[in-house]
This record gives sequence, structure tokens and C-alpha cells, in this order.
Amino acid sequence: EPEVTQTPSHQVTQMGQEVILRCVPISNHLYFYWYRQILGQKVEFLVSFYNNEISEKSEIFDDQFSVERPDGSNFTLKIRSTKLEDSAMYFCASSFTGFEQYFGPGTRLTVT
Amino acid sequence: AQTVTQSQPEMSVQEAETVTLSCTYDTSESNYYLFWYKQPPSRQMILVIRQEAYKQQNATENRFSVNFQKAAKSFSLKISDSQLGDTAMYFCAFMKVQGAQKLVFGQGTRLTINP
Repeated sequence: EPEVTQTPSHQVTQMGQEVILRCVPISNHLYFYWYRQILGQKVEFLVSFYNNEISEKSEIFDDQFSVERPDGSNFTLKIRSTKLEDSAMYFCASSFTGFEQYFGPGTRLTVT
Repeated sequence: AQTVTQSQPEMSVQEAETVTLSCTYDTSESNYYLFWYKQPPSRQMILVIRQEAYKQQNATENRFSVNFQKAAKSFSLKISDSQLGDTAMYFCAFMKVQGAQKLVFGQGTRLTINP
């Protein structure tokens, strides 16, 4: 069964460094999302992406964040200058219809 | 803005018992989707079941069923014949039909199935 994959599974970085989190959505899916989950808290929406552009973003998704679909298969989330409070689990999700979203296993980002 | 509330932070039942997880939501939308996601210790979010608001019939998926009460804005999940593998965090989520279809999650209920 097709599934969403994410790399790396765990990323440790120093405050102020740039990180890129990578996702490979399910191949025929058209809608792509990033969510994050700070430890012990609920899952929060960051951004949605459709037709090669951002369709919606949350207040969390400020100028430090960007998304890209560089080659038609990968979907990346870049954080330009990481802060301690960016430490969280980041989930990528994809959908064919825009309704049922399928999540990847997540990338744990630790900012020290 | 939509909000989703799960009032039970933790629940624990014996294997083979039936358990019901509660969820309420607040919205002014008339058409929307509701979901239950499961997050086992591996942390991956797994879609358990979905309900379209325009459907009166409650969704079922094998041992999982929902009780959708649109007027009361309530969406509970019933797990029948619970199994050890059902141990996980369960998140209720809301999605508008119009717009970019972002999921709005509740705080989660940690469910433990005891042998």
C-alpha cells in the first residue's frame, strides 16, 4: 500500500541554523500539507500546498518557513533560522481529494 | 474559527471491552468533515474513520464506529472488542469543505488497553 515517507526521522540542529525536512507524498496525490506537534500538545496545521502554490498557511508559518515541491515527487519544509521553540515533531500529509489526508511518520526536530 | 474539544485526557479499559471516546466541536459551517486519527507510540498519525456532516448515517469501520450528533456538535468514537493494539493517542479532527481543507485537531485522548 502506498505511503507517505519523511526524512530524516530525527534532526538535531543548533539555534540559528537552517533545516530542510523532506517528504515524499503518495504518488498520485495533489494536495500536500505540513503539520507540527510540540511534545505533549495537539497537532497544529502549518501550511497547505496545491497546484504548486501555498493555498493556506497558519500564523505559525511566518517568514522563517517556506515550502517547495522541487521535482514533482518531493515536498520540502525549510526553516531558515531555527529557534528553540521550533523543536517539535513535523508531519507531512498528502491527499488526492483534499479531504482524506494521509500522514507520514514524522520528523523529530530538536533545536539546541 | 473552528475548535475541537476532547474532554477525556486519558482512558483505560480491559481488553475485549467497549470504549467510547468523546469529542465536541464548534463551528458555524453547515458542511464539513469529521475524523478520528490514531497515534500509536510510533507517533505516526493513522486515519481511523471519517464522517461527512451531510450524512445522517453514522460511519463504521470494522470495530470502530461513530455517534455523530450534528445538532449537539458531538462526534464520539466507539471501539468494540478492544485489542492491545488499540493502545494509542486518539485525536478528533474537523475540516471545512470550503477552503484549503486544513485539519483542526483536538487535544487528544490517551487510550490504554490493559490485558
